[in-house]
Amino acid sequence: DAGITQSPRHKVTETGTPVTLRCHQTENHRYMYWYRQDPGHGLRLIHYSYGVKDTDKGEVSDGYSVSRSKTEDFLLTLESATSSQTSVYFCAISESVHLNTEAFFGQGTRLTVV
Amino acid sequence: AQSVTQLGSHVSVSEGALVLLRCNYSSSVPPYLFWYVQYPNQGLQLLLKYTTGATLVKGINGFEAEFKKSETSFHLTKPSAHMSDAAEYFCAVYSGNTGKLIFGQGTTLQVKP
Repeated sequence: DAGITQSPRHKVTETGTPVTLRCHQTENHRYMYWYRQDPGHGLRLIHYSYGVKDTDKGEVSDGYSVSRSKTEDFLLTLESATSSQTSVYFCAISESVHLNTEAFFGQGTRLTVV
Repeated sequence: AQSVTQLGSHVSVSEGALVLLRCNYSSSVPPYLFWYVQYPNQGLQLLLKYTTGATLVKGINGFEAEFKKSETSFHLTKPSAHMSDAAEYFCAVYSGNTGKLIFGQGTTLQVKP
């Protein structure tokens, strides 16, 4: 299995508080992704990174920010959590699209905003 | 921009029957296409992928998919469903040269005894 660790695995937080989710990889892959999974919507891309300090927005980036200060870590921050951000969050990594490689996924973080 | 549409959010088949899960994509450049499977309370794992070359791609667990450029489709099939195939299936496309990986809405496969 690819070395991807998401933390925490479960979190309950209050509306209006900031929350940071961490994705850590040991594969030295260039690309890292954050998705949210909600019933009826599949996986929607929040932000992704194509290198250290290189990030871009996905389909549903409002209310989220990311940082990647080193290859192995990709942080997702909810600036001020809202109930609509209750979801399961998945991190994924990929070596390179040009090498036709697949993306590997973490086990997910279940976030509940009350 | 690239996009993926999966036709049918739920598909139900009998054990031993043909499985057909539909995926259509939109891409302005030759696409890289993927099918992933997610079992309950787990992450996603790759079933198969199309990059270049042979348009019929074989994956794990007896699944295969055919890339049809003229139809912009990448449908997933399996000749004979097994109870263990019950899961959610996602089609995905890489977005051009950016490395952005876009998923469809998912199709839940139910297999009846």
